[in-house]
Amino acid sequence: DAKTTQPPSMDCAEGRAANLPCNHSTISGNEYVYWYRQIHSQGPQYIIHGLKNNETNEMASLIITEDRKSSTLILPHATLRDTAVYYCIVRVEVVWDTGNQFYFGTGTSLTVIP
Amino acid sequence: DARVTQTPRHKVTEMGQEVTMRCQPILGHNTVFWYRQTMMQGLELLAYFRNRAPLDDSGMPKDRFSAEMPDATLATLKIQPSEPRDSAVYFCASGLVTGANTGELFFGEGSRLTVL
Repeated sequence: DAKTTQPPSMDCAEGRAANLPCNHSTISGNEYVYWYRQIHSQGPQYIIHGLKNNETNEMASLIITEDRKSSTLILPHATLRDTAVYYCIVRVEVVWDTGNQFYFGTGTSLTVIP
Repeated sequence: DARVTQTPRHKVTEMGQEVTMRCQPILGHNTVFWYRQTMMQGLELLAYFRNRAPLDDSGMPKDRFSAEMPDATLATLKIQPSEPRDSAVYFCASGLVTGANTGELFFGEGSRLTVL
């Protein structure tokens, strides 16, 4: 699986949009981009994933560049409860592939400031 | 809501003792992962099962760790003998991998192990 690079930490004012970047310059054509977050002492939680197109759900939006070498997770209106470590993961999405494990990097620690 | 259940939530033991952690995946899920998290190493993948068969346990110290799925409702991670460096939070996650599925993982709340 391709490796990802994320800034170690970011701050965001409450109510503002939080934009979390991720570089995955060695991503291959069949690898998806996943985002998870981990709130202190809890298990990681799925946020969103995508392949090529931008995606949006009730939690966030995912913007993937046209060359797919980077992406941005957007939390449109950050709240204090969004303070967490955010992980960007690239992963093959093939049923018969035994290598489609999830490898978590160090992530970005997002602090939402009141 | 369906959830992944892990027991025990907290375990304190002495070096050399056997430790068994249990995980009940979400009913119907066909993949199970074991992760270990420490401040120094972050989230490390220990083992990965699909349809109860171990597909990858390369992240596990083989001499003392073992992972099994005796049936579809139970996954176990055993450490024998335990050492202080095994102190960590151990997470189990399950997911459903099919031809049309996203492969989203659902994590349990973790088992916090302290080896004295």
